[in-house]
Amino acid sequence: RKEVEQDPGPFNVPEGATVAFNCTYSNSASQSFFWYRQDCRKEPKLLMSVYSSGNEDGRFTAQLNRASQYISLLIRDSKLSDSATYLCVVPYGGYNKLIFGAGTRLAVHP
Amino acid sequence: EAQVTQNPRYLITVTGKKLTVTCSQNMNHEYMSWYRQDPGLGLRQIYYSMNVEVTDKGDVPEGYKVSRKEKRNFPLILESPSPNQTSLYFCASMDRGLPEKLFFGSGTQLSVL
Repeated sequence: RKEVEQDPGPFNVPEGATVAFNCTYSNSASQSFFWYRQDCRKEPKLLMSVYSSGNEDGRFTAQLNRASQYISLLIRDSKLSDSATYLCVVPYGGYNKLIFGAGTRLAVHP
Repeated sequence: EAQVTQNPRYLITVTGKKLTVTCSQNMNHEYMSWYRQDPGLGLRQIYYSMNVEVTDKGDVPEGYKVSRKEKRNFPLILESPSPNQTSLYFCASMDRGLPEKLFFGSGTQLSVL
């Protein structure tokens, strides 16, 4: 099993739709999780942190399921500007070792 | 402005010709790291540094060297590049222990012919 796995997509959704991505991780000891957004061939940027059961920031909600070892990202009322690749990031053995998932690509269309 | 500056943005070279990709940060971060990104594989860590003169291997260190002589700079050196090192490279720095404060450079697209 890969350390961090994501559905590569693409998820093609219309504006206004609600879309959710999952990310599974193998290290049961991980305590914190992060979602990054990456626009095409550009640097990743932090979207959200998840330290307990979940986190919410406007249209974005991240949830953690420790029993099943996955985190999810829910985007409500999708905008064209949400089109990007979403990377799941999990620290393994400390913050000096961050494992990045391969990313899930989202395409929002008019 | 807080930033990580990486150069060059694009680089095309030939097999065996030594090259250096520079990385500099102005946030006084102790932690710096190099990643490569390949399609379907996500970002993989090459080397990281916890402080000046302290460097450690990441997951894919073969064929790369780094140095950390001063806190702000963390160059990536390819002594003898090969085509399998064609990739998109990112430098990053982090306020120690705070992944929310992980900042990336704008990336270097390297092609080795």
